[in-house]
Amino acid sequence: QKEVEQNSGPLSVPEGAIASLNCTYSDRGSQSFFWYRQYSGKSPELIMSIYSNGDKEDGRFTAQLNKASQYVSLLIRDSQPSDSATYLCASRSGSARQLTFGSGTQLTVLP
Amino acid sequence: GAVVSQHPSRVICKSGTSVKIECRSLDFQATTMFWYRQFPKQSLMLMATSNEGSKATYEQGVEKDKFLINHASLTLSTLTVTSAHPEDSSFYICSTGLNTEAFFGQGTRLTVV
Repeated sequence: QKEVEQNSGPLSVPEGAIASLNCTYSDRGSQSFFWYRQYSGKSPELIMSIYSNGDKEDGRFTAQLNKASQYVSLLIRDSQPSDSATYLCASRSGSARQLTFGSGTQLTVLP
Repeated sequence: GAVVSQHPSRVICKSGTSVKIECRSLDFQATTMFWYRQFPKQSLMLMATSNEGSKATYEQGVEKDKFLINHASLTLSTLTVTSAHPEDSSFYICSTGLNTEAFFGQGTRLTVV
């Protein structure tokens, strides 16, 4: 069974700190990885996508991928209270069209 | 990114009635759409894959006769929850893809009373 695992949290960080969100996946055929942010009662919105090993930075967000360890992470620098949400990690395998989602990590940024 | 419009955003219905949820891709032709269901504090679970012009593919454990999917055009897929019961109350989200990324509709909060 293809799985994406996340620590459900909740994770609390003070405003201005770095929030670190982690995700592991079991399917070695996974080639594409995504981080989505989901506010309560809303649908997910794409934050970052990453396809190759290493780091990918976009503003305050950095995604890290290590295919050997089957590990994906998301760092949020200078965390803001508006970053408080559930963060979903997702993967896609090969030519598959659908995503496999983790259970999400609830992040709270304390003012 | 692609724009996916889902309607209605919120619906309350009586037990035993049917509810139709629409999902439209506004700026590109979607041959495939995905329907997810999300219970409180849980992740998105894929229910079915909607294919334009052919039958939908349902995930294991999802009743195809209860969750009717129609994808008659390249821009519209519908999910009908038939004979809804309180346990069907959930957040239903459609999604489609552009290149390698997935884009989601706004979601439909269904409450069956």
